[in-house]
Amino acid sequence: DTAVSQTPKYLVTQMGNDKSIKCEQNLGHDTMYWYKQDSKKFLKIMFSYNNKELIINETVPNRFSPKSPDKAHLNLHINSLELGDSAVYFCASSPRGPGYEQYFGPGTRLTVT
Amino acid sequence: QKEVEQDPGPLSVPEGAIVSLNCTYSNSAFQYFMWYRQYSRKGPELLMYTYSSGNKEDGRFTAQVDKSSKYISLFIRDSQPSDSATYLCASANTGNQFYFGTGTSLTVIP
Repeated sequence: DTAVSQTPKYLVTQMGNDKSIKCEQNLGHDTMYWYKQDSKKFLKIMFSYNNKELIINETVPNRFSPKSPDKAHLNLHINSLELGDSAVYFCASSPRGPGYEQYFGPGTRLTVT
Repeated sequence: QKEVEQDPGPLSVPEGAIVSLNCTYSNSAFQYFMWYRQYSRKGPELLMYTYSSGNKEDGRFTAQVDKSSKYISLFIRDSQPSDSATYLCASANTGNQFYFGTGTSLTVIP
């Protein structure tokens, strides 16, 4: 049984399009995250939700909008995609806040052409 | 200065060697320290989780935290080719501050 799942695994799209990535966790955790990992493998936190409430909102273009319909789901919507958005996006969850161990999904490899 | 600094490597060792991976952090308020392993094209997986200073051992892996020097280490004994991966350190405090290092790429040669 997959603990943290993301869909899709691969996403190839053109500049200017709008796309969404979905994440679900079945661990019963309260906190979920979105990370962006660039080509140099640097993992940077974008957003964090605790029980559907936004608790971390790093400096990210407002073209990126997270949505948490319930504490098991955290989706990421990206408007007007740009070339620089190409990266791997990871969803993660943790039992409590960001100071606790996080469990990552398999990643969504986004390529913007 | 980055919150967590990590030598990106790459690091290449023969099978059976002891591997030492290190990070430094800048915020003395950090209390939680983690090591993650990331295989190519996979998500990071938690290896070790420690609170405050001291050592923690799990099989061939030992995590060490020295809060006085703001230094965290991961030792891998009897390294195996299956240990070849990128290792990421992370530090956090009780607030919502959480930072990853840039990762060290390790290759264990059979």
